[in-house]
Amino acid sequence: RKEVEQDPGPFNVPEGATVAFNCTYSNSASQSFFWYRQDCRKEPKLLMSVYSSGNEDGRFTAQLNRASQYISLLIRDSKLSDSATYLCVVFSGGYQKVTFGIGTKLQVIP
Amino acid sequence: AAGVIQSPRHLIKEKRETATLKCYPIPRHDTVYWYQQGPGQDPQFLISFYEKMQSDKGSIPDRFSAQQFSDYHSELNMSSLELGDSALYFCASSFGSGNTIYFGEGSWLTVV
Repeated sequence: RKEVEQDPGPFNVPEGATVAFNCTYSNSASQSFFWYRQDCRKEPKLLMSVYSSGNEDGRFTAQLNRASQYISLLIRDSKLSDSATYLCVVFSGGYQKVTFGIGTKLQVIP
Repeated sequence: AAGVIQSPRHLIKEKRETATLKCYPIPRHDTVYWYQQGPGQDPQFLISFYEKMQSDKGSIPDRFSAQQFSDYHSELNMSSLELGDSALYFCASSFGSGNTIYFGEGSWLTVV
């Protein structure tokens, strides 16, 4: 089993739709969690950190469920510009062990 | 604000040649990470350094080596290149552990 698992998609959704992605992690000692966005052939860029209490940034909401060992990302009112791959990133285990999920591809269609 | 700088941005090498990629982290960042991303794949962790010492090792082939210098820049040396080494190589940096990591724009390596 991979340490961090994501559904690779693609998720094809119409503009204005709400879409949610989940990411599960296997190491219960995992410490920090992030969502990154990666556009084709570009570097990953931080979208948001994920806190136990949940956090929201505009149309984006991230949640952490430690009991079930997953994090989620909710995107409301999808825009065409949201089309990208969303990577789940988990810090766990050793001092600087960073693990990426395979990424979930989102395609927002007009 | 200064970002992570990688050079060269594009590199073409022949099989069995050697390549060196350089990474200049964000000022005051003490941790550097190297990742390899093949076409359609997620970034694969290669190696990381904290305060100039190797801190973690991932799926880095024995043909590859890396180090972090006194000015915190890092170099990834790749020898006996194979076609399968063709990928986008990202360097990332952070300040401390568990904090946000910032990526450079990547170095495209093509082995022919």
